[in-house]
Amino acid sequence: AQSVTQLGSHVSVSEGALVLLRCNYSSSVPPYLFWYVQYPNQGLQLLLKYTSAATLVKGINGFEAEFKKSETSFHLTKPSAHMSDAAEYFCAVSDDQTGANNLFFGTGTRLTVIP
Amino acid sequence: DTEVTQTPKHLVMGMTNKKSLKCEQHMGHRAMYWYKQKAKKPPELMFVYSYEKLSINESVPSRFSPECPNSSLLNLHLHALQPEDSALYLCASSQDDRRINYGYTFGSGTRLTVV
Repeated sequence: AQSVTQLGSHVSVSEGALVLLRCNYSSSVPPYLFWYVQYPNQGLQLLLKYTSAATLVKGINGFEAEFKKSETSFHLTKPSAHMSDAAEYFCAVSDDQTGANNLFFGTGTRLTVIP
Repeated sequence: DTEVTQTPKHLVMGMTNKKSLKCEQHMGHRAMYWYKQKAKKPPELMFVYSYEKLSINESVPSRFSPECPNSSLLNLHLHALQPEDSALYLCASSQDDRRINYGYTFGSGTRLTVV
């Protein structure tokens, strides 16, 4: 069965600082991995996804993530945080083996950006 | 059109009321999903429709009744809800329920309060 673990339920960074949100996955087969962002009282917006092509994935709003099989990780980064990045971020995993598939979400990381 | 539209955005209902949530997409997606999200928690899958047929029911109580009248529309009928059912209800769609590598598109949700 697949699962993801997001380390740190809250992360605070200063405006302009590096953003690093951690996600580790567990999957018995090659996974598909996703990062979603959720702003207050909004739905989830897809930031980026890994689907077994390039291991370094670039997404929207300057975010990127690197798939590291040896570390079973898919950490989300952004070189310089903006105030508008303050939101909840969810890592999710799925694969081709689940039949009528499902996304398995992590518990989320709330990002606070300090002016 | 690259959106999933959910109505209403907010709903307050009594425990004896009957109400419906509506979700619509015009992206040609053939899989549609209902998720429930409690505060500070990740979304939890409730139902999956694939080609207008119910394919997954995650042991959801019968007071929640999904309906998929056509490939663009998904409803969630609510009856005799409990206060603990208060949550953000998210609709999502994907190309079909096996092509998960394309990701899901989420609506902005309906904030439901049961009084």
